[in-house]
Amino acid sequence: AQSVSQHNHHVILSEAASLELGCNYSYGGTVNLFWYVQYPGQHLQLLLKYFSGDPLVKGIKGFEAEFIKSKFSFNLRKPSVQWSDTAEYFCAVTGTYKYIFGTGTRLKVLA
Amino acid sequence: DAGVIQSPRHEVTEMGQEVTLRCKPISGHNSLFWYRQTMMRGLELLIYFNNNVPIDDSGMPEDRFSAKMPNASFSTLKIQPSEPRDSAVYFCASSMTSGGPSYNEQFFGPGTRLTVL
Repeated sequence: AQSVSQHNHHVILSEAASLELGCNYSYGGTVNLFWYVQYPGQHLQLLLKYFSGDPLVKGIKGFEAEFIKSKFSFNLRKPSVQWSDTAEYFCAVTGTYKYIFGTGTRLKVLA
Repeated sequence: DAGVIQSPRHEVTEMGQEVTLRCKPISGHNSLFWYRQTMMRGLELLIYFNNNVPIDDSGMPEDRFSAKMPNASFSTLKIQPSEPRDSAVYFCASSMTSGGPSYNEQFFGPGTRLTVL
C-alpha cells in the first residue's frame, strides 16, 4: 500500500540548531516528492519539491531535502533554524493526482 | 492572483444541521481537491475533481458528505446531517495538471474550521 511515514511527531530545538526531519515512503513506480509547511493558523504552503534530476533539492527559507531512492527517503534539512520556523511540516508523495501526506511533524523552535 | 478562496473561515453549527463549505480555485487550474484535517487522522483527501468531474471520491467518509463542482471556478462540500465527529478543518486545494500524473504543486486555501456541537 502507498504510504508516507514521518518518524518524528514533535521536535523541539533551540534557535541556530540544525534540523533534520525524516520522511520515508512506500510507493511503486516513479514518484514526485514534496515538503509542505503549515504555520500556526495558516494553510499549507510548498517548501520544496522533487520531480527528477539532482536529488538534493533546495527550497524556500533555507530548507533543503535529499531524495535517496535506495532508502525510499526524502529528509528535510535546515542548517540553522529560527524561531519563525515553528510550524508543522508535512511530507507528501504522488505518482498520479493523488497526494499521500505523512502525519506531519510539529517543530517548535525556542528563542 | 488571490489564491484559493474558501468560505466561511469558521463555522459553528449544531448536530443535525446542514453545512455547506465553499471553494473558489485559482483561475486556470483544472484540478480541485477537498481535504479534511484532524489531530487523530491528519490530512485526508476526501474528493478530487478534474475539469469539474469527480474522479475519485473514495475518501468521502459517508453518504452524509457530498461535493459538487458546477463550473471551473466554484465547488461546494456539503455535510447533511452534520455530526460532532465531523468537526475538523476542511481545506480546498487546486492545481494545474494534465490528464494523467499530477506533477504540479497543490495550492491550498486557508481552510474552514468546522465545529459541530
